[in-house]
Amino acid sequence: QVQLVESGGGLVKPGGSLRLSCAASGFTFSDYYMSWIRQAPGKGLEWVSYISSSSSYTNYADSVKGRFTISRDNAKNSLYLQMNSLRAEDTAVYYCARVNGDYDLIWGQGTLVTVSS
Amino acid sequence: QSALTQPASVSGSPGQSITISCTGTSSDVGGYNYVSWYQQHPGKAPKLMIYDVSNRPSGVSNRFSGSKSGNTASLTISGLQAEDEADYYCSSYTSSSTLEFGGGTKLTVL
Repeated sequence: QVQLVESGGGLVKPGGSLRLSCAASGFTFSDYYMSWIRQAPGKGLEWVSYISSSSSYTNYADSVKGRFTISRDNAKNSLYLQMNSLRAEDTAVYYCARVNGDYDLIWGQGTLVTVSS
Repeated sequence: QSALTQPASVSGSPGQSITISCTGTSSDVGGYNYVSWYQQHPGKAPKLMIYDVSNRPSGVSNRFSGSKSGNTASLTISGLQAEDEADYYCSSYTSSSTLEFGGGTKLTVL
């Protein structure tokens, strides 16, 4: 059974940094692309980034490009999102997701990031 | 503004059928069969309901079906049940090698 558990969320001041983690289990982590998606309070879903199975390829939404960095450690079955220069509009629940072969997603439960002074 | 356009809300009575549309362009919905649909109950994570336009993951009720015509994908739920009341989101792969979502549709079961 696929399990994705996010951690690292919390309250951070504008301009600050935060690193999210996602622990994966129940599948061969190194076989899959992984992704981060976020959802601002009361709003819809926004794709943030994804990373290839070997970390050779990454892509980002324009809204986070240059500020966020996605990475993974296949030996630890873990996905990460380093978030720098955070803004109020980055406040959201951040979901980790496994990317299946045809870009459909299996989701974790999410971790809340609040950017406020 | 979301890249994919969905109606903000739809409603139906128990037992009825409803359809939710998801309109994009030839650079996303129209260009690829990588359209998925997700169900999200309040306070919960999204759940995959349809992938590759019309395929159901194991465990998803056959009351859920998907289709596509041109730049518009659709999710149909037949035999509406109270438990279907939720938000529904479409997503598509794009020509920029990104993923994009619709703005979401709130389904109310009357």
